Amino acid sequence: EAQVTQNPRYLITVTGKKLTVTCSQNMNHEYMSWYRQDPGLGLRQIYYSMNVEVTDKGDVPEGYKVSRKEKRNFPLILESPSPNQTSLYFCATAKSGANVLTFGAGSRLTVL
Amino acid sequence: GQNIDQPTEMTATEGAIVQINCTYQTSGFNGLFWYQQHAGEAPTFLSYNVLDGLEEKGRFSSFLSRSKGYSYLLLKELQMKDSASYLCAVRETDSWGKLQFGAGTQVVVTP
Repeated sequence: EAQVTQNPRYLITVTGKKLTVTCSQNMNHEYMSWYRQDPGLGLRQIYYSMNVEVTDKGDVPEGYKVSRKEKRNFPLILESPSPNQTSLYFCATAKSGANVLTFGAGSRLTVL
Repeated sequence: GQNIDQPTEMTATEGAIVQINCTYQTSGFNGLFWYQQHAGEAPTFLSYNVLDGLEEKGRFSSFLSRSKGYSYLLLKELQMKDSASYLCAVRETDSWGKLQFGAGTQVVVTP
């Protein structure tokens, strides 16, 4: 079954404790992207990757890191989380040249 | 900068029609997407327009006017399950890269 898998789905952590949200896809998609969703602000793009070893900043990259060492994985790293990073995070993937972006189920992160 | 505007909320009765407008001002344009998102769930793809005109897909239709920077999503024969947020998104380049989303329109369907 074609899917985009995010882990963890829910996480409560404390300020400054490094964490990683994983995203994995089994569709051989070249493009992967991370979004955060906050009430009234919609989906805002954090980082995206056009292919392995190619990453670019989106609109709100501050406080986040990503890597794309393998085609299927695109982890989102919060080196020192802060309360303003409390949000719902979505990973999304697409095939180059296609017109459908597929989202993971989301990861709800709370930073205390 | 760029801007994608949609109404915050719309209410309609079951069986009726609702039109959700989206206006955009972006530095480039290579397609406009509509997504549906139920509360607490992932967005799901509804439609894609890159040329002017109307695309119909069952009860849902989407229209695009590139010269006006305008699109709408038309939901016909509304059902209770259509209560959701509808997101408009614009792709600026000819490949996936930065994809800008509007804040979403919450549609409430009443009996």
